[in-house]
Amino acid sequence: DAGITQSPRHKVTETGTPVTLRCHQTENHRYMYWYRQDPGHGLRLIHYSYGVKDTDKGEVSDGYSVSRSKTEDFLLTLESATSSQTSVYFCAISTDRDGGGGYTFGSGTRLTVV
Amino acid sequence: AQSVTQPDIHITVSEGASLELRCNYSYGATPYLFWYVQSPGQGLQLLLKYFSGDTLVQGIKGFEAEFKRSQSSFNLRKPSVHWSDAAEYFCAVGARVGNQFYFGTGTSLTVIP
Repeated sequence: DAGITQSPRHKVTETGTPVTLRCHQTENHRYMYWYRQDPGHGLRLIHYSYGVKDTDKGEVSDGYSVSRSKTEDFLLTLESATSSQTSVYFCAISTDRDGGGGYTFGSGTRLTVV
Repeated sequence: AQSVTQPDIHITVSEGASLELRCNYSYGATPYLFWYVQSPGQGLQLLLKYFSGDTLVQGIKGFEAEFKRSQSSFNLRKPSVHWSDAAEYFCAVGARVGNQFYFGTGTSLTVIP
């Protein structure tokens, strides 16, 4: 979607290696989120951020960390990638704290851990 | 605990036919309700949302959804499906406090010419 970019779009990595996914937005939205999408599970929240250096854990945060040093960038790091982290990762942004405006999603990063 | 159920994993309809995708939720209060659509290889796009007021909400691309509190449902409808509507559809509920969203597992729509 315009205004939100995820990189890389595809990545293959080996088990045990660290991986960082980047979400970049040009909308100056305060609220940013990382989800993973897996068949049969829909989307599940990994981490979210309410502003610079203000982050918190979501439903499936184990094995993941995040950082937000600038409003426009929200980084997701897999500390030591495992095969169970093979997934499609989506970043989302929203304009309001309670999410009532809905989300705008990026196009996703397909990560394969071999 | 909050949850969202989309009972239909896959639906096939003919082009021009009507469509209804089901969504049921479990939540202690009236949540925010959303429908998103996802085309292959793309992110999710917001179709429509319900906050309060009129229980029939209109969205983009000719979609509408009706909130029925008594049935804890928020079904998505379209009177005449187009081939370009083939995609995956996700229902989501959001807490009004705390910005926690819960997504259903999705319904895949196939449109037959």
